[in-house]
Amino acid sequence: QKEVEQNSGPLSVPEGAIASLNCTYSDRGSQSFFWYRQYSGKSPELIMFIYSNGDKEDGRFTAQLNKASQYVSLLIRDSQPSDSATYLCAGLDTGRRALTFGSGTRLQVQP
Amino acid sequence: DGGITQSPKYLFRKEGQNVTLSCEQNLNHDAMYWYRQDPGQGLRLIYYSQIVNDFQKGDIAEGYSVSREKKESFPLTVTSAQKNPTAFYLCASSHPPEVRQPQHFGDGTRLSIL
Repeated sequence: QKEVEQNSGPLSVPEGAIASLNCTYSDRGSQSFFWYRQYSGKSPELIMFIYSNGDKEDGRFTAQLNKASQYVSLLIRDSQPSDSATYLCAGLDTGRRALTFGSGTRLQVQP
Repeated sequence: DGGITQSPKYLFRKEGQNVTLSCEQNLNHDAMYWYRQDPGQGLRLIYYSQIVNDFQKGDIAEGYSVSREKKESFPLTVTSAQKNPTAFYLCASSHPPEVRQPQHFGDGTRLSIL
């Protein structure tokens, strides 16, 4: 079974620090990866996605993809207490054309 | 205002009862998906549909059924064969899932056993 793995956390960082969230995947055929943020009791909301090796920046968020190492990460700069949530990593299963989700990493930003 | 509407927000199922969760989208998306989320867990794929009148089983389809008679609608039935239905159910949709097409989610339905 194709898998996406994430450390469940919690990852605790002080306000203003950089939070680094990581994800590994088993399917070498996966072409693109998506990061979603999920607040407790709410549905996931898309933060950003990446499909090329390297970095992609959007405001305070940077996604990084390393296909050789099968590794995806999300960096959150200047972390705010409002960033406290669970972050879900998902990879596109090109065989069945659907997303495979990791179990999520819980981030806590301490004021 | 485009989006995905799931109803009801909360649902209670009695023993031996089938219940149906509604999912409607007005984003003109071709693909639709149903996921189940248990507390502290990620999303697991139940069923998905890339086109009207066609759908495929996901990783945990047993005890569930779906239909896709209209592009806008993808209802999920939780049958009495699903012995542990208590979970948060999420519906999502996207344009054909090529590399650059993210899925967007509805607000979810919480299902509990009475």
